[in-house]
Amino acid sequence: EAQVTQNPRYLITVTGKKLTVTCSQNMNHEYMSWYRQDPGLGLRQIYYSMNVEVTDKGDVPEGYKVSRKEKRNFPLILESPSPNQTSLYFCASSLWSTGVGNQPQHFGDGTRLSIL
Amino acid sequence: EDQVTQSPEALRLQEGESSSLNCSYTVSGLRGLFWYRQDPGKGPEFLFTLYSAGEEKEKERLKATLTKKESFLHITAPKPEDSATYLCAVYGGSYIPTFGRGTSLIVHP
Repeated sequence: EAQVTQNPRYLITVTGKKLTVTCSQNMNHEYMSWYRQDPGLGLRQIYYSMNVEVTDKGDVPEGYKVSRKEKRNFPLILESPSPNQTSLYFCASSLWSTGVGNQPQHFGDGTRLSIL
Repeated sequence: EDQVTQSPEALRLQEGESSSLNCSYTVSGLRGLFWYRQDPGKGPEFLFTLYSAGEEKEKERLKATLTKKESFLHITAPKPEDSATYLCAVYGGSYIPTFGRGTSLIVHP
């Protein structure tokens, strides 16, 4: 089954304790990205990666890091989490072609992070 | 800066009562408008992509249309299982999509 898998689904932690949210896709997609979803603000992109060699900032990258060592994995790293990073996070992947451009994204089921 | 405004924020319909959701956008050079459906506790699920004004796409009870300033998601004779939040997103001049805040649809039996 084609899917994007995120772990953990829920996490409650404390300020300053480094954490990693993993994301894996089994569709051989080039493009992967991370979003946060906050009430009243909609989905906002944190980082995206067009392939294992190219990663770039989205609209709200401050306080986050990403890594794309393999095509299928795209972990989100919070080095020193703060309460304002409490949110619902989604990983997504899609096909990518410079000729075709943007393609529909497949989303994971989300990770709810609470930073105390 | 790309902008997307969805209206209404919330919509309640009776089963069989057709209606439309609106997505107004401002973007420099539209490179795609996407509609997604999001159920509680789930990630968004792709519905349609529209690339140029005049384009229309249909899937079961849903039909998406696009003009140069807005897109409509028409829901014909909705059923309770159509209840969800519907999201609109646009790509303009960058690789970063701009999402609207969504329309929460509830269809009563």
